[in-house]
Amino acid sequence: DADVTQTPRNRITKTGKRIMLECSQTKGHDRMYWYRQDPGLGLRLIYYSFDVKDINKGEISDGYSVSRQAQAKFSLSLESAIPNQTALYFCATSDPAGRMDTGELFFGEGSRLTVL
Amino acid sequence: DAKTTQPPSMDCAEGRAANLPCNHSTISGNEYVYWYRQIHSQGPQYIIHGLKNNETNEMASLIITEDRKSSTLILPHATLRDTAVYYCIVRPRTSYGKLTFGQGTILTVHP
Repeated sequence: DADVTQTPRNRITKTGKRIMLECSQTKGHDRMYWYRQDPGLGLRLIYYSFDVKDINKGEISDGYSVSRQAQAKFSLSLESAIPNQTALYFCATSDPAGRMDTGELFFGEGSRLTVL
Repeated sequence: DAKTTQPPSMDCAEGRAANLPCNHSTISGNEYVYWYRQIHSQGPQYIIHGLKNNETNEMASLIITEDRKSSTLILPHATLRDTAVYYCIVRPRTSYGKLTFGQGTILTVHP
């Protein structure tokens, strides 16, 4: 089984619908992230969380919200989906070994979202 | 974070070394160079990182120039499975895992 699991892997929805993408991890890492990738572009950070009480906005947080339900779970919500949120979404984790983050992120397999 | 410049695409013959360049001329003293790769829309995979010394692990070698303004990722014996987009990222050690991905280099390994 994958260490970082994303559900659903694929989702097609309509404009205005509420969508939740879920991420769970078995790595025991405190830090979790949501990234978005558009065709031909790199990944952009949406939100990140250093622990269950710490949530931070990334560079493109508008239109998104997150919930850190537990150390192992980090969900991304689109309250009212719009077509330009069609993208590939990745969850990632990292472990600040020795209180110094090595910069190594562990990614899930991605959730492909299409908003019609 | 310092910006990076990579060629959009490169080709390599299977079994040969793949040398992927990255320019980061505005890198500052506390910034590390990281390399990730992404195979066909899978989640990106960490490869290696370094500050100023050359680094080697089981996947690749990282050569950083003395002035730290550029670096080269070396895959010593490329295989077809190394076909991927390779991202060079520069970030301070203290940015707590936040990584800014550019467009990367598409490496195609040919039989």
